[in-house]
Amino acid sequence: AQTVTQSQPEMSVQEAETVTLSCTYDTSESNYYLFWYKQPPSRQMILVIRQEAYKQQNATENRFSVNFQKAAKSFSLKISDSQLGDTAMYFCAFDNYGQNFVFGPGTRLSVLP
Amino acid sequence: DVKVTQSSRYLVKRTGEKVFLECVQDMDHENMFWYRQDPGLGLRLIYFSYDVKMKEKGDIPEGYSVSREKKERFSLILESASTNQTSMYLCASSDRQGAREQYFGPGTRLTVT
Repeated sequence: AQTVTQSQPEMSVQEAETVTLSCTYDTSESNYYLFWYKQPPSRQMILVIRQEAYKQQNATENRFSVNFQKAAKSFSLKISDSQLGDTAMYFCAFDNYGQNFVFGPGTRLSVLP
Repeated sequence: DVKVTQSSRYLVKRTGEKVFLECVQDMDHENMFWYRQDPGLGLRLIYFSYDVKMKEKGDIPEGYSVSREKKERFSLILESASTNQTSMYLCASSDRQGAREQYFGPGTRLTVT
């Protein structure tokens, strides 16, 4: 069975600094999607960034980028120039084309002024 | 603006009651999902549906059933609510093809007393 692990239950970062959230996963599949979702306090979950496993280039979305290491089954999220609005729970998620949908336990990120 | 709505934000039910949670999406998505979210466990998939009247068990289907009679609506049913089903329930939808991003509803916080 596929599993997703986020080893950092809580993290904090100073405003304008850079922070990296870790995610590892376990699968025997070669094609799949990986996602980072953000859940702000009392607000809906939204997509931050996605990565297709067959693409070697790391995905980027403005201040958010990933370090995708397929062989190591690692998918970390880097947030640059952290803002107060980045305070949220962050979930790493795995989707192998409809066979499995698995979320990690989440990392609570606090951005400090 | 894409939207997933859930019938209630907060719900309090008694042990043994039958509970219906409803989810509606306006994006014509084929896939719909029900998750429960508990601290430290992340999101766990209860059921998902890839088409009208079609359903697949997720990781924790015991004590739950689902119904999808129309493409836009996916209902989660607790046949006889128990205290261990107290949780946050999240509904989501996604395209079967393409980017496969899941769009989430605001969640229903269910308390069973």
